Amino acid sequence: AQSVTQPDIHITVSEGASLELRCNYSYGATPYLFWYVQSPGQGLQLLLKYFSGDTLVQGIKGFEAEFKRSQSSFNLRKPSVHWSDAAEYFCAVDWSSWGKLQFGAGTQVVVTP
Amino acid sequence: SQTIHQWPATLVQPVGSPLSLECTVEGTSNPNLYWYRQAAGRGLQLLFYSVGIGQISSEVPQNLSASRPQDRQFILSSKKLLLSDSGFYLCAWSGAGEETQYFGPGTRLLVL
Repeated sequence: AQSVTQPDIHITVSEGASLELRCNYSYGATPYLFWYVQSPGQGLQLLLKYFSGDTLVQGIKGFEAEFKRSQSSFNLRKPSVHWSDAAEYFCAVDWSSWGKLQFGAGTQVVVTP
Repeated sequence: SQTIHQWPATLVQPVGSPLSLECTVEGTSNPNLYWYRQAAGRGLQLLFYSVGIGQISSEVPQNLSASRPQDRQFILSSKKLLLSDSGFYLCAWSGAGEETQYFGPGTRLLVL
């Protein structure tokens, strides 16, 4: 069965430090890949997406993600975290390009002073 | 620009009562529409999606149903709520033929 895995349920990072969130997916073909962020009690905001082309994609709020086909991964990074980055982050995959997303379980990011 | 609305924002309902959650999209035509549920501490599960008026696809068997009476209106319903229906319900839209989904603010449902 197709799956989307975010191995880290919870990450604590100091303000100003770098952040990397992992996302792995199973399947043979390259799906469409997304990262969303959810602040407490809010809807999801799209950070970035990858469909094809350059494997390093830039998103909003200073985030970037790198697609690695050999590792079936799409990891999210930010060089310097701000307190406002504390939120839950979801990786999502569209396997069929029909717009039906499968989400990972999410990674909760806590930012300490 | 496009916007998506959901209401109510919060709802507390007794077990066995009916449910109606509404989602509307502005600024676009013929969108694809989606209902997701996010249970506490879990990811999002796709419940229903619609590519047009009256066209509803269900992803998982459950106590809920969806309807699309107008192009930009998507309604999630239940005749009798269960405790397990508690959660955060998110509506999303995408342009016809497009892959990127945009989410509404969500409705938090607590069934007691």
